Order: sequence, then structure tokens, then C-alpha cells
Amino acid sequence: GAVVSQHPSWVICKSGTSVKIECRSLDFQATTMFWYRQFPKQSLMLMATSNEGSKATYEQGVEKDKFLINHASLTLSTLTVTSAHPEDSSFYICSAPTSGAGLRNEQFFGPGTRLTVL
Amino acid sequence: QKEVEQDPGPLSVPEGAIVSLNCTYSNSAFQYFMWYRQYSRKGPELLMYTYSSGNKEDGRFTAQVDKSSKYISLFIRDSQPSDSATYLCAYLQGGSEKLVFGKGTKLTVNP
Repeated sequence: GAVVSQHPSWVICKSGTSVKIECRSLDFQATTMFWYRQFPKQSLMLMATSNEGSKATYEQGVEKDKFLINHASLTLSTLTVTSAHPEDSSFYICSAPTSGAGLRNEQFFGPGTRLTVL
Repeated sequence: QKEVEQDPGPLSVPEGAIVSLNCTYSNSAFQYFMWYRQYSRKGPELLMYTYSSGNKEDGRFTAQVDKSSKYISLFIRDSQPSDSATYLCAYLQGGSEKLVFGKGTKLTVNP
């Protein structure tokens, strides 16, 4: 299947700093990528849809000024958590859909980035 | 009522047992039904998908959908310790790429 990578896999930062997370589709192009957040023992919650060449669309309740998304190319989307606080500590996962012979627009997920804000 | 309900478990079974995982949903617009497996500290991987009522089999895994009852199940036969993971049901509306996930059920298969 298609491969999606994320970098870094984990990051620890001080409160008030900004953290950038990269999501790359390694062997296919993705005009759309999705960013999820997963708290311990909780499900994946969609935060935003990243669109190449246009603004991201955010889910209700997600602050667009706090979670900056840039879809710089057909293979790269970045999520920047600005002025991070301890409550932003979570597991951030991206996904990218690809058209294939099987499920229409099957989404492939990255390995996730664990963010800890001290 | 939540769109998706899934018992988080945890579920612990001996090796070789048959495992039954279930989800219910309330949104009639859901057209695609999926099961993902997520190992600890990893991203989810697609196990099975279906878009119609009935059963779909793939090796030791069987996905079952009952649209009239808005109920989906995943059965694992001859469970193995390597099946220990969190299993998430997920849904997709027709024409949408936004997945809606259940909370996930944590499964442990003991050798």
C-alpha cells in the first residue's frame, strides 16, 4: 500500500513555543491530507482538511490560528501548533487518500507524532 | 446520540479464541464501513472495508454489516497474540472523504 510518513515521531517542548509537524506522501501525490488528534484512550478526532494550493478547512471547535496548516506541495502538509500549552499534548496523526483499485479514496495514515508540552 | 458507539473494552482472550468486535451508528448517510487496526503508538491501518449489508471474509477476518440495524461487526478467528491492538470502526458518507471513527476496542490475545 501507499506510504505516509510523519516527522518528528515525538517531540517535547516548553509551554509557549511552536512545534511543526510534517506529513509526507512518499509514493503518491495527495491534493488533500487530513490531520487528526488522538488523546489517550480516545478515538481519532478530525481537526482539519489540508488542501494543496488553498486554505485548510477546520472542523468545528478547532482554532485555525493555533493550528496552522500549510499544504506546500502535492506530497507535503505541515501542521504547526503555535504557542503550545500542556493541554495540546496529544498524538497527532495525518492521513492522505489515494485512488486505488480497492476502496475509493482509501486513506493511508502516517505513524503519528506524539507531542508533549511541558 | 453519538454518531458512532463502540465499546472501548479492554477485551482479553486466550490464543485461538474467536473475537467479536461491534459498533453501532446512527447516521443513515454512512455508505462505507471500515475496520482499522492500530498498534500502540502507531497510525491506524485499514483491515477491511465494505459498503453493503452482509458478510465479507478475508483470511481470519470477517466483517459483517447490518444496515437495517445500523450495526457492524468484525470477527477474528483463531486469534493470535499478534492481533493484540486497538480496533477502530470507521464510516464514510457517500461523496465525502471524512472518516468518522469509533473510540476503538483494545484487544489483548494471551498466548
